[in-house]
Amino acid sequence: DIVMTQSPLSLPVTPGEPASISCRSSQSLLYTNGDTYLDWYLQRPGQSPQLLIYLGSIRASGVPDRFSGSGSGTDFTLKISRVEAEDVGVYYCMQAVQVPITFGQGTRLDIK
Amino acid sequence: EVQLVESGGGLVQPGGSLRLSCAASGFTFSTYWMKWVRQAPGKGLECVANIKPDGSETQYVDSVKGRFTISRDNAKNSLSLQMNSLRADDTAVYYCVRGSGGTGLGYWGQGTPVTVSS
Repeated sequence: DIVMTQSPLSLPVTPGEPASISCRSSQSLLYTNGDTYLDWYLQRPGQSPQLLIYLGSIRASGVPDRFSGSGSGTDFTLKISRVEAEDVGVYYCMQAVQVPITFGQGTRLDIK
Repeated sequence: EVQLVESGGGLVQPGGSLRLSCAASGFTFSTYWMKWVRQAPGKGLECVANIKPDGSETQYVDSVKGRFTISRDNAKNSLSLQMNSLRADDTAVYYCVRGSGGTGLGYWGQGTPVTVSS
């Protein structure tokens, strides 16, 4: 199985400041069709996870443009340009290039 | 509007069985892979089972192989997870999730909690 490793695991951020989360995979997430199957999800307290970014860098419908995803191969980053209070929760990266899909351990973002 | 509504969770003794259901609406159910993803208390996410749109192919994480069975009824827009020989480490919230075809898991149910304890 592909192992997904996130860092940091805890991320206190001052509102208005940027934030960055790293995700590394144990194998390349580049598929033969040229797409990279890496997603980012946010799970707000008490809620189901919601999709933020798919195929490494494409924002899902309704996701604010302060969220951006980048990376290739085995190294990926989620950036929030200016953190807002509603961004609090746990962020997960997930690979979908190989079955079983696997998630990172999660990064808990809190407001300072 | 896409909706996924799980039911069937509860408290069960170790070694017992439970059947989870997911009622889907708002999309053409028969054209999507469907998944069950679980989250143990205070822990991360784990995809335990997948099923192809026509039900002809299923996939399981190693920890549930031989104990869990995913199935679907496309006529009733329904997904199920039969869980047998339950163990304490199966305790989790179980989410019904629509597959994506590569565009991310955009639709999750609200989850149904399963507690395995004597």
